Amino acid sequence: EAGVAQSPRYKIIEKRQSVAFWCNPISGHATLYWYQQILGQGPKLLIQFQNNGVVDDSQLPKDRFSAERLKGVDSTLKIQPAKLEDSAVYLCASSLATLGGRRMNTEAFFGQGTRLTVV
Amino acid sequence: SQQGEEDPQALSIQEGENATMNCSYKTSINNLQWYRQNSGRGLVHLILIRSNEREKHSGRLRVTLDTSKKSSSLLITASRAADTASYFCATRISGGTSYGKLTFGQGTILTVHP
Repeated sequence: EAGVAQSPRYKIIEKRQSVAFWCNPISGHATLYWYQQILGQGPKLLIQFQNNGVVDDSQLPKDRFSAERLKGVDSTLKIQPAKLEDSAVYLCASSLATLGGRRMNTEAFFGQGTRLTVV
Repeated sequence: SQQGEEDPQALSIQEGENATMNCSYKTSINNLQWYRQNSGRGLVHLILIRSNEREKHSGRLRVTLDTSKKSSSLLITASRAADTASYFCATRISGGTSYGKLTFGQGTILTVHP
């Protein structure tokens, strides 16, 4: 079974530039997550999709970050404009979890992440 | 803010010893999960315990859950140098407008010396 694919693996940009990350989840997974992990910290949930609807985006800085999930499959996360404090690893994950259904008790599968450096 | 908080932040032990990590959380949960992260890599799921379970085992892993205290512990028995990694607890929220939300704690860095 193919895992969660993310690209690019690394990205260096200057502050105020824009950047986009792409994620392809495991086939058939209804739920997709984007996390931001700053060095030495735990992953912080930015947005969680259920199919192409949003479960939670309370910690997504909406003035600069945006995310979409195309046809309930692939997803892109964009930052525009980037700040120095956005330097982090951006992790995408997916799971079978369905809201209100029996498959809530499932694990999330993570991609390798995109390491973003803003200079 | 993060839902879970791990304790200790760092743990250093000798190979063969047991390692215990604790996690506390704030809201009602559907389940609690533990993940492992090797340096520079993605997270890997280790074990899941449902809110109506009190203890679960998987190989050298033992997880307990006390919903009255909103806490969990992960025990790794007979640790190996290869267990060196960061360990995170994650909670799946069971109520409210963000039902099903999966949030992580800050993690415990485990170092196992050969």
